[in-house]
Amino acid sequence: QVQLQESGPGLVKPSETLSLTCTVSGYSISIPDHWAWIRQPPGKGPEWIGAIYYRGNTYYNPSLKSRVTMSVDTSKNQFSLKLSSVAAADTAVYFCARAPINYGAAYSFDIWGQGTMVIVSS
Amino acid sequence: EIVLTQSPGTLSLSPGERATLSCKASQSVDSTYLYWYQQKPGQAPRLLIFGASRRATGVPDRFSGSGSGTDFTLTISRLEPEDFAVYYCQQYGASLWPFGQGTKVEIK
Repeated sequence: QVQLQESGPGLVKPSETLSLTCTVSGYSISIPDHWAWIRQPPGKGPEWIGAIYYRGNTYYNPSLKSRVTMSVDTSKNQFSLKLSSVAAADTAVYFCARAPINYGAAYSFDIWGQGTMVIVSS
Repeated sequence: EIVLTQSPGTLSLSPGERATLSCKASQSVDSTYLYWYQQKPGQAPRLLIFGASRRATGVPDRFSGSGSGTDFTLTISRLEPEDFAVYYCQQYGASLWPFGQGTKVEIK
């Protein structure tokens, strides 16, 4: 079955860049779908960060756009997130997810990773 | 940019009761792209409803979604112990995927 797994540092210093990777298994990332990052600060609701199409087109939350970069590596079946100039407010669980286009629950987040906690602290 | 507002913030009910959760959009939404998720502590959100009213695979039929335009509702006909959780609405439009702030359904 399709599985997503986030990986990356659990602790990032203020003003530095947060970098996370999502590895997809059981499914080719080259199929025309969107791949997304969502974060959830402790005790709060989810916040969509951005999405990337398999060909590399990107779509970002306007509130984070100036600090977000997403990329996809089809050879490794992975996609990645970089969030620059982080502050304590960026502390959250970061999830990756699939948003299918042409089938099923199109444009929903139908499959999620388990999430990874990232703490911003010196 | 569309804002989704959910109400109430918390719903205190007993098992067997009916739960009605509201999601209001700041402007009209294509119901094809209106979704509901359930989240339990320590877990990722789980897709329940897509297209405003279609149940995702494996979702019990006590969950139903309805609505159009700016007003959407998630109804749980008879609450089971495993249904006590937080529920989020979310929509897609103009290459944006905003979430509502959530409704917590807690045991009374």
